[in-house]
Amino acid sequence: AQSVTQLDSHVSVSEGTPVLLRCNYSSSYSPSLFWYVQHPNKGLQLLLKYTSAATLVKGINGFEAEFKKSETSFHLTKPSAHMSDAAEYFCVVSAFRGTSYGKLTFGQGTILTVHP
Amino acid sequence: DARVTQTPRHKVTEMGQEVTMRCQPILGHNTVFWYRQTMMQGLELLAYFRNRAPLDDSGMPKDRFSAEMPDATLATLKIQPSEPRDSAVYFCASGPRGVDTEAFFGQGTRLTVV
Repeated sequence: AQSVTQLDSHVSVSEGTPVLLRCNYSSSYSPSLFWYVQHPNKGLQLLLKYTSAATLVKGINGFEAEFKKSETSFHLTKPSAHMSDAAEYFCVVSAFRGTSYGKLTFGQGTILTVHP
Repeated sequence: DARVTQTPRHKVTEMGQEVTMRCQPILGHNTVFWYRQTMMQGLELLAYFRNRAPLDDSGMPKDRFSAEMPDATLATLKIQPSEPRDSAVYFCASGPRGVDTEAFFGQGTRLTVV
């Protein structure tokens, strides 16, 4: 079984300040983990992915995430928020074994608001 | 520029009518997902195919929903009969082989059942 928990449903930051979106995962096997972003009335776009290589993963638009096995976490960060970062962000885990191999399980999402 | 194509983009229908949503996955992808997104439930996995075979449709109400892949270039999601509570955005996504490969999402079908 696998699951993800996004610890904050809403995060609000000022433009130019750091962003931290928190995600904890549960997986029976070593997981693959992803962050997706969804802008209003749009589809979902991949920000970055972790696939058991480097634990610090860099993605698009200045985002990065660090895989911490001991904490079962995969938090998303950005040093300086931009107005265009306002969107909903999803943490996703992928199954590694069995008939659910490759199945993507989404967290509940975190809405990021960026103030001028 | 390869992308997942969903049709229609918007659908308004009356309760009790049949609704068919279509998805063209990216050529060469062997995994197809159907998700439903609502404000209350977030993103829910409805069905999941690999090589056109259904692997997991446990999230789909069986009495009214059905999902199929008639061929590798087409996935369909049908609701019969539709109900107001089915109003949502339905996303199709496809992915290449492998657990560490991401899924690519279509733009979604916004369904309104009145």
